[in-house]
Amino acid sequence: NAGVTQTPKFQVLKTGQSMTLQCAQDMNHEYMSWYRQDPGMGLRLIHYSVGAGITDQGEVPNGYNVSRSTTEDFPLRLLSAAPSQTSVYFCASSRGQPVSGNTIYFGEGSWLTVV
Amino acid sequence: RKEVEQDPGPFNVPEGATVAFNCTYSNSASQSFFWYRQDCRKEPKLLMSVYSSGNEDGRFTAQLNRASQYISLLIRDSKLSDSATYLCVVNMGYNFNKFYFGSGTKLNVKP
Repeated sequence: NAGVTQTPKFQVLKTGQSMTLQCAQDMNHEYMSWYRQDPGMGLRLIHYSVGAGITDQGEVPNGYNVSRSTTEDFPLRLLSAAPSQTSVYFCASSRGQPVSGNTIYFGEGSWLTVV
Repeated sequence: RKEVEQDPGPFNVPEGATVAFNCTYSNSASQSFFWYRQDCRKEPKLLMSVYSSGNEDGRFTAQLNRASQYISLLIRDSKLSDSATYLCVVNMGYNFNKFYFGSGTKLNVKP
């Protein structure tokens, strides 16, 4: 069972470069989201989507873009990488709103270093 | 002030011990509460939802105290495999699409 698949798992970028973190889920989930996790900060929501064609900002959206052209895919784009974007990124999905009964499933994470 | 606060620990306990974690949240309008477990360098995974009346799943018991705005997790008869970081998750007030994650409480269960 694939679940939520993220690529790449590890990436080193130079300041100013752009890149896309890919995320795909095969569970036909409507709700998808991206989080970043930094030491001592917990996971913080970057962007989320409640269905194809619909996206919205989370807690820390600056410097990131997303799109949701299909139910399965939810890529995260770093427009101009900065050292402050060094973090672990998690893509997640759930069947509907992540309320009680709708589990959030996470991908395995993408470790990004910006130098 | 953080929206969700947890004691980072670590809590070092022997096998078989009972251990409890608390998590406080700031938004009284929050309605959905969860405990997630995260192993080192792995993704978070749902441990259990937290219901208003409290709920139990095997050795794990979760409680919600709305008046004091905290949730708790009790682990009985700790196993070595319980060693992990436990994340408290709370939805952002009336928005059920946005969640705050606590920074986690680390548990080490020793033989």
